[in-house]
Amino acid sequence: DAGVTQSPTHLIKTRGQQVTLRCSPKSGHDTVSWYQQALGQGPQFIFQYYEEEERQRGNFPDRFSGHQFPNYSSELNVNALLLGDSALYLCASSWKKSGAQETQYFGPGTRLLVL
Amino acid sequence: GEDVEQSLFLSVREGDSSVINCTYTDSSSTYLYWYKQEPGAGLQLLTYIFSNMDMKQDQRLTVLLNKKDKHLSLRIADTQTGDSAIYFCAESMNTGFQKLVFGTGTRLLVSP
Repeated sequence: DAGVTQSPTHLIKTRGQQVTLRCSPKSGHDTVSWYQQALGQGPQFIFQYYEEEERQRGNFPDRFSGHQFPNYSSELNVNALLLGDSALYLCASSWKKSGAQETQYFGPGTRLLVL
Repeated sequence: GEDVEQSLFLSVREGDSSVINCTYTDSSSTYLYWYKQEPGAGLQLLTYIFSNMDMKQDQRLTVLLNKKDKHLSLRIADTQTGDSAIYFCAESMNTGFQKLVFGTGTRLLVSP
């Protein structure tokens, strides 16, 4: 049973560029959440996708956008990259129908460096 | 409000018990989680506790929850060098769609 997978593993971009990160959820999961983890910090919630719609959003600017596909996989897009966007981007999947105990399982992350 | 706090660092000797502490602020949290992160890796779910429980044991791991004080702890018995990692506690904010609020993490160093 494949767990959560993310691609690419590492990425280097320059300021002003755009980036797309990808996530495939764990088999049987229908919900994808994205988190940003800056160096030395805990993960911060960006947004969550369920049924191909953004359902909840954290305190991140509109430069951060996403998408969920019919097969439940998801993309995170960041436009007009800033140096401060350098971080580990984590994808987590869960099964909405499990109700309140909707445990999130994390992928290995994509490490983004903005120069 | 959403705020989860943890001590930054803990050092123990192999074979000792480790206790990692966490405080949270939102009394409406439904579940509280412990995740482990090894260098360069994602988060590994260790265990979780429902907010109406006060203790949960899972092999070498014991979670204690004091809901009145909003205090959560993770005890690791017989700590091994392979337990060296960063440990995050997280509270779930379930307003129909769950999101996790994480602490800053506790770095556990286990020396032989």
